[in-house]
Amino acid sequence: DTAVSQTPKYLVTQMGNDKSIKCEQNLGHDTMYWYKQDSKKFLKIMFSYNNKELIINETVPNRFSPKSPDKAHLNLHINSLELGDSAVYFCASRTMTGGADTQYFGPGTRLTVL
Amino acid sequence: GNSVTQMEGPVTLSEEAFLTINCTYTATGYPSLFWYVQYPGEGLQLLLKATKADDKGSNKGFEATYRKETTSFHLEKGSVQVSDSAVYFCALSDQGGATNKLIFGTGTLLAVQP
Repeated sequence: DTAVSQTPKYLVTQMGNDKSIKCEQNLGHDTMYWYKQDSKKFLKIMFSYNNKELIINETVPNRFSPKSPDKAHLNLHINSLELGDSAVYFCASRTMTGGADTQYFGPGTRLTVL
Repeated sequence: GNSVTQMEGPVTLSEEAFLTINCTYTATGYPSLFWYVQYPGEGLQLLLKATKADDKGSNKGFEATYRKETTSFHLEKGSVQVSDSAVYFCALSDQGGATNKLIFGTGTLLAVQP
């Protein structure tokens, strides 16, 4: 059973295109996140949704638009792709059970903008 | 703001050597602390966690103790294996409640040679 899944795993596209990345979790968690990992492996949060509501937006350009159709899904749509958007994007979901606030990550989507 | 500082890598060790990866943090309040591991070409996996001072997290032979007096959460393993080669990330949960997010260190690449 895959806990947090993302599609596609790899995405290669041209500058200026619009693309989407999908994320689904079957853990029953209420909160989901998008993180960006740059070429130096640095990880930074982009967005967080709780029960389909946006609660964190870390000064991400408005070309990036997350959408949460239900609490098990958090998709990321990117308009007018730029070279600097090339990165690995990780989805995560969060639980508060067991006394620890813990996030579980998907396998990542490697986006390459040419 | 809250932050995490990890030792620079890469760390290169021979099999069965002792491993320490240093991690210190700056935070207000009482964050939970985490170590995540990223194997080559894969996503992030939770390795271990600690939720309060003096807690020790452990998993797969790795250990880390939450030290409030030194604001540290160093990762240790007594005898590393080639299969431990990966990037290790120290992280803290920024704050409780719906706006929680993970703040990551820059990651430390561990290379274990046979």
